[in-house]
Amino acid sequence: SQQGEEDPQALSIQEGENATMNCSYKTSINNLQWYRQNSGRGLVHLILIRSNEREKHSGRLRVTLDTSKKSSSLLITASRAADTASYFCALGNDQKLVFGQGTRLTINP
Amino acid sequence: KAGVTQTPRYLIKTRGQQVTLSCSPISGHRSVSWYQQTPGQGLQFLFEYFSETQRNKGNFPGRFSGRQFSNSRSEMNVSTLELGDSALYLCASRGQRIGSTEAFFGQGTRLTVV
Repeated sequence: SQQGEEDPQALSIQEGENATMNCSYKTSINNLQWYRQNSGRGLVHLILIRSNEREKHSGRLRVTLDTSKKSSSLLITASRAADTASYFCALGNDQKLVFGQGTRLTINP
Repeated sequence: KAGVTQTPRYLIKTRGQQVTLSCSPISGHRSVSWYQQTPGQGLQFLFEYFSETQRNKGNFPGRFSGRQFSNSRSEMNVSTLELGDSALYLCASRGQRIGSTEAFFGQGTRLTVV
Protein backbone atom coordinates (compact mmCIF):
# COMPACT_ATOMS: atom_id res chain seq x y z
CA SER A 1 0.00 0.00 0.00
CA GLN A 2 1.25 3.50 -0.78
CA GLN A 3 -0.54 5.15 2.08
CA GLY A 4 0.50 5.52 5.65
CA GLU A 5 -1.16 3.50 8.35
CA GLU A 6 -2.03 5.42 11.44
CA ASP A 7 -2.25 4.18 14.95
CA PRO A 8 -4.35 4.44 16.99
CA GLN A 9 -7.51 4.99 14.96
CA ALA A 10 -9.02 6.86 17.88
CA LEU A 11 -7.55 8.43 21.00
CA SER A 12 -9.33 10.04 23.93
CA ILE A 13 -7.38 11.88 26.62
CA GLN A 14 -7.86 14.50 29.31
CA GLU A 15 -7.08 18.12 28.69
CA GLY A 16 -3.50 18.88 29.62
CA GLU A 17 -2.20 15.41 28.80
CA ASN A 18 0.07 14.64 25.87
CA ALA A 19 -1.21 12.88 22.76
CA THR A 20 0.92 10.68 20.54
CA MET A 21 -0.08 9.40 17.12
CA ASN A 22 1.95 7.12 14.89
CA CYS A 23 2.21 6.63 11.16
CA SER A 24 3.91 3.70 9.45
CA TYR A 25 4.52 3.33 5.75
CA LYS A 26 6.08 0.99 3.21
CA THR A 27 7.21 3.12 0.26
CA SER A 28 10.10 5.53 -0.10
CA ILE A 29 9.25 9.14 0.58
CA ASN A 30 10.68 12.60 0.06
CA ASN A 31 8.85 13.95 3.04
CA LEU A 32 6.09 13.19 5.49
CA GLN A 33 3.47 15.72 6.45
CA TRP A 34 0.87 15.95 9.18
CA TYR A 35 -2.51 17.59 8.75
CA ARG A 36 -5.46 18.33 11.01
CA GLN A 37 -9.11 18.24 10.05
CA ASN A 38 -11.97 19.60 12.13
CA SER A 39 -15.41 18.00 11.67
CA GLY A 40 -15.40 17.25 7.94
CA ARG A 41 -13.92 20.56 6.93
CA GLY A 42 -10.74 21.26 4.98
CA LEU A 43 -7.37 19.98 6.11
CA VAL A 44 -4.86 22.27 7.73
CA HIS A 45 -1.15 21.66 7.31
CA LEU A 46 0.66 21.24 10.63
CA ILE A 47 4.23 20.26 9.92
CA LEU A 48 6.46 18.79 7.22
CA ILE A 49 9.51 16.66 7.90
CA ARG A 50 11.90 15.74 5.11
CA SER A 51 13.39 12.30 4.69
CA ASN A 52 16.81 13.51 5.83
CA GLU A 53 15.43 15.00 9.05
CA ARG A 54 14.80 13.14 12.28
CA GLU A 55 12.81 15.59 14.39
CA LYS A 56 10.94 18.85 14.01
CA HIS A 57 9.11 21.10 16.41
CA SER A 58 6.36 23.63 15.92
CA GLY A 59 4.83 25.13 19.04
CA ARG A 60 3.29 22.26 21.01
CA LEU A 61 3.88 19.83 18.16
CA ARG A 62 6.83 17.49 17.88
CA VAL A 63 7.28 15.19 14.91
CA THR A 64 9.84 12.44 14.57
CA LEU A 65 10.76 10.43 11.52
CA ASP A 66 12.62 7.13 11.46
CA THR A 67 13.26 6.19 7.84
CA SER A 68 14.92 2.90 8.79
CA LYS A 69 11.71 1.80 10.50
CA LYS A 70 9.53 3.70 8.03
CA SER A 71 7.58 5.35 10.80
CA SER A 72 6.73 8.78 12.13
CA SER A 73 5.08 10.06 15.26
CA LEU A 74 3.23 13.25 16.11
CA LEU A 75 3.27 14.40 19.70
CA ILE A 76 0.93 17.12 20.91
CA THR A 77 1.93 18.36 24.34
CA ALA A 78 -0.34 19.97 26.93
CA SER A 79 -3.46 19.19 24.91
CA ARG A 80 -6.41 21.59 24.75
CA ALA A 81 -10.06 21.10 23.90
CA ALA A 82 -9.43 22.88 20.61
CA ASP A 83 -7.05 20.09 19.60
CA THR A 84 -10.03 17.78 19.17
CA ALA A 85 -9.87 16.82 15.50
CA SER A 86 -8.73 14.13 13.09
CA TYR A 87 -5.04 14.00 12.35
CA PHE A 88 -3.63 12.62 9.12
CA CYS A 89 -0.17 11.74 8.01
CA ALA A 90 0.57 12.20 4.33
CA LEU A 91 3.41 10.67 2.37
CA GLY A 92 5.03 13.06 -0.07
CA ASN A 93 6.99 12.17 -3.14
CA ASP A 94 7.47 13.67 -6.59
CA GLN A 95 4.16 12.33 -7.82
CA LYS A 96 1.52 12.99 -5.21
CA LEU A 97 0.52 13.34 -1.58
CA VAL A 98 -1.04 10.17 -0.15
CA PHE A 99 -3.00 10.34 3.08
CA GLY A 100 -3.47 7.77 5.80
CA GLN A 101 -6.83 6.92 7.36
CA GLY A 102 -6.28 9.31 10.23
CA THR A 103 -6.44 9.30 14.01
CA ARG A 104 -9.53 10.74 15.67
CA LEU A 105 -8.34 12.67 18.76
CA THR A 106 -10.79 13.72 21.45
CA ILE A 107 -9.69 15.98 24.29
CA ASN A 108 -11.97 15.73 27.31
CA PRO A 109 -12.27 18.82 29.55
CA LYS B 1 -3.78 36.42 0.69
CA ALA B 2 -7.07 34.66 -0.02
CA GLY B 3 -7.22 30.94 0.66
CA VAL B 4 -8.44 28.11 -1.53
CA THR B 5 -12.07 28.60 -2.49
CA GLN B 6 -14.37 25.75 -3.39
CA THR B 7 -17.86 26.18 -4.73
CA PRO B 8 -20.49 25.19 -4.06
CA ARG B 9 -20.16 24.15 -0.42
CA TYR B 10 -23.10 21.78 -0.52
CA LEU B 11 -24.79 19.98 -3.38
CA ILE B 12 -27.59 17.46 -3.68
CA LYS B 13 -27.92 15.56 -6.92
CA THR B 14 -29.95 12.63 -8.21
CA ARG B 15 -28.47 9.37 -9.46
CA GLY B 16 -27.59 9.57 -13.13
CA GLN B 17 -27.06 13.31 -13.14
CA GLN B 18 -23.71 15.00 -13.58
CA VAL B 19 -22.05 17.59 -11.40
CA THR B 20 -19.28 20.15 -11.74
CA LEU B 21 -17.29 21.38 -8.76
CA SER B 22 -15.03 24.39 -8.82
CA CYS B 23 -11.78 25.23 -7.06
CA SER B 24 -9.90 28.52 -7.07
CA PRO B 25 -6.37 28.06 -5.72
CA ILE B 26 -4.29 30.55 -3.81
CA SER B 27 -3.07 33.29 -6.11
CA GLY B 28 0.21 32.26 -7.73
CA HIS B 29 -0.25 28.56 -7.09
CA ARG B 30 -0.08 26.44 -10.21
CA SER B 31 -0.83 23.01 -8.81
CA VAL B 32 -4.35 21.90 -7.93
CA SER B 33 -5.17 18.44 -6.65
CA TRP B 34 -8.53 16.89 -5.93
CA TYR B 35 -9.40 14.38 -3.21
CA GLN B 36 -12.50 12.41 -2.34
CA GLN B 37 -13.17 11.79 1.34
CA THR B 38 -15.63 9.18 2.57
CA PRO B 39 -15.99 7.51 5.97
CA GLY B 40 -15.17 4.10 4.52
CA GLN B 41 -12.30 4.90 2.14
CA GLY B 42 -10.78 7.93 3.79
CA LEU B 43 -8.99 10.52 1.67
CA GLN B 44 -8.40 9.27 -1.84
CA PHE B 45 -6.43 11.09 -4.50
CA LEU B 46 -8.36 11.85 -7.67
CA PHE B 47 -5.98 13.85 -9.86
CA GLU B 48 -3.54 16.72 -10.00
CA TYR B 49 -3.29 19.53 -12.48
CA PHE B 50 -0.29 21.72 -13.02
CA SER B 51 -0.26 24.55 -15.55
CA GLU B 52 -3.40 23.21 -17.24
CA THR B 53 -1.98 19.69 -17.64
CA GLN B 54 -3.09 16.63 -15.73
CA ARG B 55 0.13 15.35 -14.19
CA ASN B 56 -1.15 12.52 -12.06
CA LYS B 57 -4.31 10.49 -11.67
CA GLY B 58 -5.70 8.21 -8.99
CA ASN B 59 -7.68 5.01 -9.40
CA PHE B 60 -11.09 6.39 -10.19
CA PRO B 61 -13.35 5.51 -13.12
CA GLY B 62 -13.54 7.68 -16.20
CA ARG B 63 -16.73 9.26 -14.89
CA PHE B 64 -14.45 11.48 -12.85
CA SER B 65 -12.69 14.11 -14.90
CA GLY B 66 -11.20 17.49 -14.42
CA ARG B 67 -9.53 20.41 -16.05
CA GLN B 68 -7.53 23.45 -15.18
CA PHE B 69 -7.77 26.86 -16.76
CA SER B 70 -5.03 29.34 -17.59
CA ASN B 71 -5.75 31.24 -14.36
CA SER B 72 -5.13 27.96 -12.44
CA ARG B 73 -8.77 27.60 -11.43
CA SER B 74 -9.83 23.99 -11.69
CA GLU B 75 -13.08 22.16 -12.19
CA MET B 76 -13.95 18.58 -11.45
CA ASN B 77 -16.79 16.82 -13.21
CA VAL B 78 -18.55 13.63 -12.25
CA SER B 79 -20.94 12.16 -14.79
CA THR B 80 -23.66 9.56 -14.29
CA LEU B 81 -23.65 9.99 -10.54
CA GLU B 82 -23.94 6.96 -8.30
CA LEU B 83 -24.97 6.80 -4.65
CA GLY B 84 -21.39 5.89 -3.77
CA ASP B 85 -20.16 9.21 -5.12
CA SER B 86 -21.61 10.92 -2.05
CA ALA B 87 -18.57 12.37 -0.34
CA LEU B 88 -16.65 15.45 0.68
CA TYR B 89 -14.58 16.61 -2.28
CA LEU B 90 -11.51 18.57 -1.34
CA CYS B 91 -9.13 20.48 -3.50
CA ALA B 92 -5.64 21.53 -2.53
CA SER B 93 -3.30 24.03 -4.08
CA ARG B 94 0.46 24.29 -4.05
CA GLY B 95 3.01 26.50 -5.66
CA GLN B 96 4.90 23.60 -7.15
CA ARG B 97 4.42 19.90 -7.63
CA ILE B 98 2.23 18.27 -4.98
CA GLY B 99 4.07 16.16 -2.49
CA SER B 100 7.12 18.32 -2.13
CA THR B 101 5.80 21.08 0.08
CA GLU B 102 2.68 21.78 2.02
CA ALA B 103 -0.76 21.72 0.47
CA PHE B 104 -3.43 24.30 1.21
CA PHE B 105 -6.92 22.88 1.28
CA GLY B 106 -10.28 24.42 0.61
CA GLN B 107 -13.28 23.79 2.87
CA GLY B 108 -14.62 21.19 0.48
CA THR B 109 -17.82 20.53 -1.39
CA ARG B 110 -20.20 18.13 0.30
CA LEU B 111 -21.93 16.16 -2.45
CA THR B 112 -24.96 14.06 -1.64
CA VAL B 113 -26.37 11.76 -4.31
CA VAL B 114 -29.93 10.60 -3.74
